[in-house]
Amino acid sequence: ETGVTQSPTHLIKTRGQQVTLRCSSQSGHNTVSWYQQALGQGPQFIFQYYREEENGRGNFPPRFSGLQFPNYSSELNVNALELDDSALYLCASSTRSGSSYNEQFFGPGTRLTVL
Amino acid sequence: AQRVTQPEKLLSVFKGAPVELKCNYSYSGSPELFWYVQYSRQRLQLLLRHISRESIKGFTADLNKGETSFHLKKPFAQEEDSAMYYCALRIQGAQKLVFGQGTRLTINP
Repeated sequence: ETGVTQSPTHLIKTRGQQVTLRCSSQSGHNTVSWYQQALGQGPQFIFQYYREEENGRGNFPPRFSGLQFPNYSSELNVNALELDDSALYLCASSTRSGSSYNEQFFGPGTRLTVL
Repeated sequence: AQRVTQPEKLLSVFKGAPVELKCNYSYSGSPELFWYVQYSRQRLQLLLRHISRESIKGFTADLNKGETSFHLKKPFAQEEDSAMYYCALRIQGAQKLVFGQGTRLTINP
């Protein structure tokens, strides 16, 4: 069984650029959640995808968008990068059955630096 | 609004001493609380959840709805317990987790 993987590990961008982060879910998982973790803070929920549709969103502007693919892998896209977007971005996968959710398994994260 | 507060950013205790990491929450619905742990150079992982009422690695946590707390406790700390600990609240009917800012626990030999 393969765990959650994320790519790239590190990324440096400049203000105003766009970035795409990728996540491969753990085998058998159909739900992906993305979190932003700023330095010294706990993870903050960005959004979740279930069966290729957004299924919940945190307090993040529309320039944060995502996709989930038929194989349940996922992308997080951030447009018009700002300095405050510098953070560790975590992906977590889990299974959902009806309204019941199971444990979230986290990936190692992508460290984004915006200059 | 939902909120999780971990009042201690840093906590240092000696090996063999009791440990208590504090967590308070604010949520109008029926809470589901978790403790996550991140050891050095490892990913975030679930330590325990209140609905399981289990002890993991000697740690326990009891949900106190009256005091809106979910403190993590261990009677005798071990050096391998040194890590970052996050308390988290799951919103009812959703998979969204609301995390506290974390407590870095250091166990001194």
